[in-house]
Amino acid sequence: QKEVEQDPGPLSVPEGAIVSLNCTYSNSAFQYFMWYRQYSRKGPELLMYTYSSGNKEDGRFTAQVDKSSKYISLFIRDSQPSDSATYLCALNSNSGYALNFGKGTSLLVTP
Amino acid sequence: DAGVIQSPRHEVTEMGQEVTLRCKPISGHDYLFWYRQTMMRGLELLIYFNNNVPIDDSGMPEDRFSAKMPNASFSTLKIQPSEPRDSAVYFCASSTGGGQYGELFFGSGTQLSVL
Repeated sequence: QKEVEQDPGPLSVPEGAIVSLNCTYSNSAFQYFMWYRQYSRKGPELLMYTYSSGNKEDGRFTAQVDKSSKYISLFIRDSQPSDSATYLCALNSNSGYALNFGKGTSLLVTP
Repeated sequence: DAGVIQSPRHEVTEMGQEVTLRCKPISGHDYLFWYRQTMMRGLELLIYFNNNVPIDDSGMPEDRFSAKMPNASFSTLKIQPSEPRDSAVYFCASSTGGGQYGELFFGSGTQLSVL
């Protein structure tokens, strides 16, 4: 079992929908939780960053971490066609210097 | 700053040939990472450097792969000899403080096709 599991999709939603993207993980040492967004033919870029448990909100984006369930989520409100991309979760522990990435979920928001 | 710069953007080569991928990190960043991305395996860390010194190369698939960082502004990833299974997108990323605190800055990648 990989340390980080993520459904690859693709996920297709209409413009304006609420999107929920998720990852599960197995290593309880993970303390740093990130979401990266990757547009086609580009490198990933950091979207959200959370330390330990709880929620973090940034505009239309909300990141949630549930360490007891080893489950992290990214919610996108009022989704836009420009949100169409692949979303990768990335996790790290206190002792690591290299991120553990999920495979990514491909999202398509249709007008 | 122009961001992380990788070259070439695309590389098509024949099995058995040597391939060299290049990366210029963001000035001032002390960590440099090489990743490989495929549909099957996602993003895999190959090797990373801190202050030009290789720290962890456990992700390098085999001896055919080698990476160097001769100075703070340049790194290469070399595959010799190349094989069709090496076909992937190779990303270079840089950061300050390593990946522990979140933000890696990625280049646009090199799409490698080995025929």
